[in-house]
Amino acid sequence: DTAVSQTPKYLVTQMGNDKSIKCEQNLGHDTMYWYKQDSKKFLKIMFSYNNKELIINETVPNRFSPKSPDKAHLNLHINSLELGDSAVYFCASSQEGQGRGEQYFGPGTRLTVT
Amino acid sequence: GNSVTQMEGPVTLSEEAFLTINCTYTATGYPSLFWYVQYPGEGLQLLLKATKADDKGSNKGFEATYRKETTSFHLEKGSVQVSDSAVYFCALGGAQKLVFGQGTRLTINP
Repeated sequence: DTAVSQTPKYLVTQMGNDKSIKCEQNLGHDTMYWYKQDSKKFLKIMFSYNNKELIINETVPNRFSPKSPDKAHLNLHINSLELGDSAVYFCASSQEGQGRGEQYFGPGTRLTVT
Repeated sequence: GNSVTQMEGPVTLSEEAFLTINCTYTATGYPSLFWYVQYPGEGLQLLLKATKADDKGSNKGFEATYRKETTSFHLEKGSVQVSDSAVYFCALGGAQKLVFGQGTRLTINP
């Protein structure tokens, strides 16, 4: 069983479109995250949720809207896609919500905006 | 704010060579420190961690010691294998999030 899963794995779309990425974890964790990895492999946190409540919004443009329907799911919706949104997006989860515990990462979603 | 500086890559070594990847950090409070590894086409996996000063994390032959006096958490391995080829990330955990270094790509040649 995959601990943290994301769909889709690849997403190719045109500028201006709206798209969603889904994430699910079956670890029973309370905290979930979205990270963005750019072409140089640099990883930066975007959002974190604890038990469906938004905890961190790291100055991400408001075209990005996370939604957590329950504590096992954290989806990411992106409006009006731009070329600069092309990246790999990783979902992660952890039991501990202070950043001091291990985080479990999904396989990533490679988004390409043309 | 918290930050992590990691040795720039890429690093290329021969099999059985000694590996060091340097990592230093700036932080307030008492963060946890981590090394994550990313194999091609995959997500990140925890390699090792340390939660307080002088702790040593170890896994799969890799080691790192949390040094508060030098604010460092250098990754070492005595004898690398081709299968260790990956991107390695040093990370600092605290204030409800992980802050990552820029990653070091390691290639091991047979």
